[in-house]
Amino acid sequence: ETGVTQTPRHLVMGMTNKKSLKCEQHLGHNAMYWYKQSAKKPLELMFVYNFKEQTENNSVPSRFSPECPNSSHLFLHLHTLQPEDSALYLCASSQDLGQAETQYFGPGTRLLVL
Amino acid sequence: AQTVTQSQPEMSVQEAETVTLSCTYDTSESDYYLFWYKQPPSRQMILVIRQEAYKQQNATENRFSVNFQKAAKSFSLKISDSQLGDAAMYFCAYKETSGSRLTFGEGTQLTVNP
Repeated sequence: ETGVTQTPRHLVMGMTNKKSLKCEQHLGHNAMYWYKQSAKKPLELMFVYNFKEQTENNSVPSRFSPECPNSSHLFLHLHTLQPEDSALYLCASSQDLGQAETQYFGPGTRLLVL
Repeated sequence: AQTVTQSQPEMSVQEAETVTLSCTYDTSESDYYLFWYKQPPSRQMILVIRQEAYKQQNATENRFSVNFQKAAKSFSLKISDSQLGDAAMYFCAYKETSGSRLTFGEGTQLTVNP
């Protein structure tokens, strides 16, 4: 139990659907992250938020729309996705963006786009 | 750009034996952080151990220890007295001191044989 939860754990969606992934951290952290993990590839950082403000967008297509209403919650809104977007999406949090901070990960959402 | 390389896609070890997982990285920075994360079949990414580059002493956490060779840019993980629960994908990761970005290697799948 790392204190970071993600829902749903599995999601199947068509290319015309709209869905959202949710992440919640119970660690009192201020920074939250979205990562994409595709088969045979290293984890890719997508977005970084600190105190609800987006600090990094790693050239992510606009069909992925993040939302951070408060420091404990992070959403990833999905619309008109492509089959190549199928992957494991991991959320992480850290105390802040300080250099020594360790990131703690959630269990991920396994997404399949048909 | 920083890169992290794990040259062993798969490794296996007998229960109670010792195994070493390799990791090399490329950076022009002199100060940074290195991590080993474990991802079991549950997909929960769990921090195993971390090392600050400015520290010469190798980090240890119970049965897990690292061999940090800064000049060679090498950061290997040694697992002693391997247990069945150690079976997982292991990721090496790099973090520069000036930012929040974690750069991951492609991972090493560790199998523990009873």
